[in-house]
Amino acid sequence: LAKTTQPISMDSYEGQEVNITCSHNNIATNDYITWYQQFPSQGPRFIIQGYKTKVTNEVASLFIPADRKSSTLSLPRVSLSDTAVYYCLVGDMTFRYNQGGKLIFGQGTELSVKP
Amino acid sequence: EPEVTQTPSHQVTQMGQEVILRCVPISNHLYFYWYRQILGQKVEFLVSFYNNEISEKSEIFDDQFSVERPDGSNFTLKIRSTKLEDSAMYFCASSDAGGLSGNTIYFGEGSWLTVV
Repeated sequence: LAKTTQPISMDSYEGQEVNITCSHNNIATNDYITWYQQFPSQGPRFIIQGYKTKVTNEVASLFIPADRKSSTLSLPRVSLSDTAVYYCLVGDMTFRYNQGGKLIFGQGTELSVKP
Repeated sequence: EPEVTQTPSHQVTQMGQEVILRCVPISNHLYFYWYRQILGQKVEFLVSFYNNEISEKSEIFDDQFSVERPDGSNFTLKIRSTKLEDSAMYFCASSDAGGLSGNTIYFGEGSWLTVV
């Protein structure tokens, strides 16, 4: 499974755009890139998932360059409630061998949003 | 929005007791998982389950652990004889299987297990 590297912590202010970059140099052909958010004592919450180029939903955007060795999660106009740990994970999400998806979590990026 | 639900939210048990954690996955999902997170540590994969059998398990998931889908809606994790080090937040998760495109894993809010 591809190992990911992301900053341990980031600080931001309300209303700013936050970009968290994750590197995954050994990403495999069938691997997808998935980002989760976790608040203390809660389960990881799915934010966004992509394979290549750009994906956008109502919460965030995910930018993936052509070589797929990194990805950037972009959170537009963060608020205090976006203070959380953000995880970047890569894994085979095609389930082609009925194995399901095994996510290996790292330490994540602790985002602190200040007023 | 459909969600994974878990019960109990918090359980305190004595060392050596059996514990069953329950989960109701999202209704049309076919893959089920258990993860755990010891306080202050990473989220760790325990087991995945598909078609009424274990697909994959980690080293943590030893003979003390078992999973079951007793009916069409519940998915349970049993710890046969709890140890102090089993104290953790246990997350159930489920995912769909929409073919060869990227499937997504959704997590429940967790069951906090304290072994005393």
